Amino acid sequence: GAVVSQHPSRVICKSGTSVKIECRSLDFQATTMFWYRQFPKQSLMLMATSNEGSKATYEQGVEKDKFLINHASLTLSTLTVTSAHPEDSSFYICSARDSHSGANVLTFGAGSRLTVL
Amino acid sequence: GENVEQHPSTLSVQEGDSAVIKCTYSDSASNYFPWYKQELGKRPQLIIDIRSNVGEKKDQRIAVTLNKTAKHFSLHITETQPEDSAVYFCAASIKGSNYKLTFGKGTLLTVNP
Repeated sequence: GAVVSQHPSRVICKSGTSVKIECRSLDFQATTMFWYRQFPKQSLMLMATSNEGSKATYEQGVEKDKFLINHASLTLSTLTVTSAHPEDSSFYICSARDSHSGANVLTFGAGSRLTVL
Repeated sequence: GENVEQHPSTLSVQEGDSAVIKCTYSDSASNYFPWYKQELGKRPQLIIDIRSNVGEKKDQRIAVTLNKTAKHFSLHITETQPEDSAVYFCAASIKGSNYKLTFGKGTLLTVNP
């Protein structure tokens, strides 16, 4: 089945630094990937839609200059949290859809837990 | 945009009992409704989904029903087992929205042995 790899699984950084999270579709191509943020015991909040070869589409209230998304290939999207602050600490999850599949099914990565000190 | 409401937020059942989780959606253009199971600290896993041209779908102990007129859909788990304990999320996707999912707030299901 479809597999999405997300790295790193955990990252701790100092306030003011930037952190990059990678999301890879291992056995399928994905023209569209999604980035979510999840707070403890809460739902997945869609941050942005990552489109291969074009700019990401951000949800209302999400700062595009804060959360940089790059989708340079059909199998890789990256989320960079710039100038991270403690309030950016969260669980970030990506998902991807097989471009060659007619189905809506999304496969999720294992998530990345970011802790900003 | 789409809005998905999910109830209850927590549900505790005895092993062997049935569990039902309900969701409503706001946009009548939504046409795809998946359910995800998320264990603590892990990725959401698709457990069942239904499309708007179907009223019910079943996979062993899990079933989903959809009422398009009322704009609600439900997850039914029969003969619950302790390993069913997890957070369950419903979601809805609008045709033409680039497959973007809007999630409900989740239901923490606890199955007591």
